[in-house]
Amino acid sequence: KQEVTQIPAALSVPEGENLVLNCSFTDSAIYNLQWFRQDPGKGLTSLLLIQSSQREQTSGRLNASLDKSSGRSTLYIAASQPGDSATYLCAVNGAGSYQLTFGKGTKLSVIP
Amino acid sequence: KAGVTQTPRYLIKTRGQQVTLSCSPISGHRSVSWYQQTPGQGLQFLFEYFSETQRNKGNFPGRFSGRQFSNSRSEMNVSTLELGDSALYLCASSSDGGPDYYEQYFGPGTRLTVT
Repeated sequence: KQEVTQIPAALSVPEGENLVLNCSFTDSAIYNLQWFRQDPGKGLTSLLLIQSSQREQTSGRLNASLDKSSGRSTLYIAASQPGDSATYLCAVNGAGSYQLTFGKGTKLSVIP
Repeated sequence: KAGVTQTPRYLIKTRGQQVTLSCSPISGHRSVSWYQQTPGQGLQFLFEYFSETQRNKGNFPGRFSGRQFSNSRSEMNVSTLELGDSALYLCASSSDGGPDYYEQYFGPGTRLTVT
């Protein structure tokens, strides 16, 4: 059974700092890994999707990497802003399946 | 292109009642998945529908059911509500092929409170 772990559970940083969020998964037979952002009481916003054949994806100040063999992914946020404050979730799905297995998330607070 | 929509956004029900939640996927998307989010368990997969057929089901009791219509809109039903069913219910849609194959797009959720 796939399990996804995110460390740390919460993180507080001053504005402007670069930061890294970690995600690990137990079964390396994944098809995709997706990073999401969730604001309090809201739905999920897709940030980046990395296919298993890829090593990283970038969007603006965000960069996500994937090391499938070691079961790890990182989300790098450059020059953090107060508007980045949210919970960040990573999720994986296996080949042929739309079922996502989620981590519990990292709650990020960026202090002005 | 409009995003995933869910109705209602908020719902308060009493134990023992039943509830139906609705989800309209992004136009052209044929896969619809449902998730339950609680503070203790996080996000858990309920089921996934594609072309009106349930393709995958999570580990939830039979009180949780769903269906999908020919226009890809989906509903989920929870019968005999329990206090533990209080949660944010999220719907996600995906395209079938194309560059964003398997990428999931989520709706805003329905907040269900059972009293």
